[in-house]
Amino acid sequence: RKEVEQDPGPFNVPEGATVAFNCTYSNSASQSFFWYRQDCRKEPKLLMSVYSSGNEDGRFTAQLNRASQYISLLIRDSKLSDSATYLCVVPRYNFNKFYFGSGTKLNVKP
Amino acid sequence: EPEVTQTPSHQVTQMGQEVILRCVPISNHLYFYWYRQILGQKVEFLVSFYNNEISEKSEIFDDQFSVERPDGSNFTLKIRSTKLEDSAMYFCASKWGRQEDGYTFGSGTRLTVV
Repeated sequence: RKEVEQDPGPFNVPEGATVAFNCTYSNSASQSFFWYRQDCRKEPKLLMSVYSSGNEDGRFTAQLNRASQYISLLIRDSKLSDSATYLCVVPRYNFNKFYFGSGTKLNVKP
Repeated sequence: EPEVTQTPSHQVTQMGQEVILRCVPISNHLYFYWYRQILGQKVEFLVSFYNNEISEKSEIFDDQFSVERPDGSNFTLKIRSTKLEDSAMYFCASKWGRQEDGYTFGSGTRLTVV
């Protein structure tokens, strides 16, 4: 089983839609989790962190389900500018390494 | 907002040449990393560095690769004899030290080996 797995998409949604991505991880010892956003040919940028049950920041909500070993990202009221690839990142407990999912591509259409 | 700085932004080199990619992590961060991303592919781990030594390295990080943090601010990745398959975007990242802290990435160096 891969360390981190994501649905590659693409998710094609209209402006204003609500969209959710899931990410599963294999290491039950992982404590903190992150969602990053990556635009084409740019560096990943931190969107949200989650290390308890969840986190909310404006239109974005991240949830953690430790029992099922997955995290989710919910985007409400999608904007055109939300079009990007969303990367799930799971660190190893000792910070020596962190694992990237393959990313979920989101296309928000007018 | 503090940022990780990488130079150069783009480097073209001939196969077999040595390249040095430079990074200036955020000053109070403790953990440093190099990752790379071949166009259209997943971000791959190369190496992590903590307390002035390599913490972990991947299978990609063979004898052709080395890292240094010579002066407490710069963090460099050297590729001794580049191959065509080394062409990728190379990202440097750093992290403070708490579980909840994210990793801050530099804007990357696009390495093209011809």
